[in-house]
Amino acid sequence: KAGVTQTPRYLIKTRGQQVTLSCSPISGHRSVSWYQQTPGQGLQFLFEYFSETQRNKGNFPGRFSGRQFSNSRSEMNVSTLELGDSALYLCASSLAASLYEQYFGPGTRLTVT
Amino acid sequence: GNSVTQMEGPVTLSEEAFLTINCTYTATGYPSLFWYVQYPGEGLQLLLKATKADDKGSNKGFEATYRKETTSFHLEKGSVQVSDSAVYFCALTDSGNTPLVFGKGTRLSVIA
Repeated sequence: KAGVTQTPRYLIKTRGQQVTLSCSPISGHRSVSWYQQTPGQGLQFLFEYFSETQRNKGNFPGRFSGRQFSNSRSEMNVSTLELGDSALYLCASSLAASLYEQYFGPGTRLTVT
Repeated sequence: GNSVTQMEGPVTLSEEAFLTINCTYTATGYPSLFWYVQYPGEGLQLLLKATKADDKGSNKGFEATYRKETTSFHLEKGSVQVSDSAVYFCALTDSGNTPLVFGKGTRLSVIA
């Protein structure tokens, strides 16, 4: 069974631009979570989607948004990029409603210049 | 709120040495506890878990016991290998529907 895939793997953007990251969960998984990983803050939860509905949301500004499609694929969008948004963005999927077993993708490395 | 505290790294060990990475937590209720591992250039992989007090999670020679009385979930391995070099994260969730809360991570380097 294929794992969680994220595209693109690497991205360089300029301050003020916007970016969209994509995540394809493991087949059959309906929950997708997004995390931001930085050296200073570690792993921070962004949001979680289940059956196309946002079920949990972390403490990030409204510039960070996401959505989930009927095939469970998810996208996250960051508008008006800031230097501090440079990070590794990780997506994780899990079966049904339980978040106990989360399977992570390799991440998208975003650099904002 | 919930939180996880891990020992500061990096930890450098010689091959076949004994490993302990400390993890303590603060949570309401009875959380489930996890150790994840992140190899260079990769995402996180679930290493082991424990869902109730006194449970011992184990995998690939690693083990950790859920100690409610000391609110701890220390990771141990009897004999580390160079291939164990990675960053290890302790995490918890206080229910199956709430996001994972992670520690800061501990970088382990094993030298031959």
